[in-house]
Amino acid sequence: GQQVMQIPQYQHVQEGEDFTTYCNSSTTLSNIQWYKQRPGGHPVFLIQLVKSGEVKKQKRLTFQFGEAKKNSSLHITATQTTDVGTYFCAVLHGSSNTGKLIFGQGTTLQVKP
Amino acid sequence: NAGVTQTPKFRVLKTGQSMTLLCAQDMNHEYMYWYRQDPGMGLRLIHYSVGEGTTAKGEVPDGYNVSRLKKQNFLLGLESAAPSQTSVYFCASRRGGPANTEAFFGQGTRLTVV
Repeated sequence: GQQVMQIPQYQHVQEGEDFTTYCNSSTTLSNIQWYKQRPGGHPVFLIQLVKSGEVKKQKRLTFQFGEAKKNSSLHITATQTTDVGTYFCAVLHGSSNTGKLIFGQGTTLQVKP
Repeated sequence: NAGVTQTPKFRVLKTGQSMTLLCAQDMNHEYMYWYRQDPGMGLRLIHYSVGEGTTAKGEVPDGYNVSRLKKQNFLLGLESAAPSQTSVYFCASRRGGPANTEAFFGQGTRLTVV
């Protein structure tokens, strides 16, 4: 099964509202990546988090890595219609040398204008 | 610089037919991956490769075979297609090394098995 659980599966928001998706793991992660897939498109890399408690920002997007490195979140402030898509977290299964890149189930964001 | 290219983009197969999906990358990446994407299931790893001549099973390998004879190509084969293999298939590649690196994806192949 999936190494990471991602919630929620779907989220509908009104334009201007905030949005958050969470990834949770039962094991300590070496790092975590986030990707965005626009409808009909392919996943595109957004960011990677490596350090415990790390927080990174990209304009209206804020990414956090938990202190225990077992969870992560992506928060979008004041959503826009351009934020529509599916957001995935991804982790390396086992040690970082295995190369086995596993994705969460994804959170699909719909934004009503 | 094309990145990751998948061939074909669309295909309809009859149950029992075989086919091969081709993934080519021009970034000299060590690692290559095949995923399938189904509604509500996210991206599930089928097989992957950490270098030329190597392959390994992912989360859902049954019914698929792969080969990595050349570093730039990763082939996904379906020997006897089943309706359960109807899906969108994505290939990805990334640079190797001790640290994790971002994955680059192809445009996807939409496969329908009837």
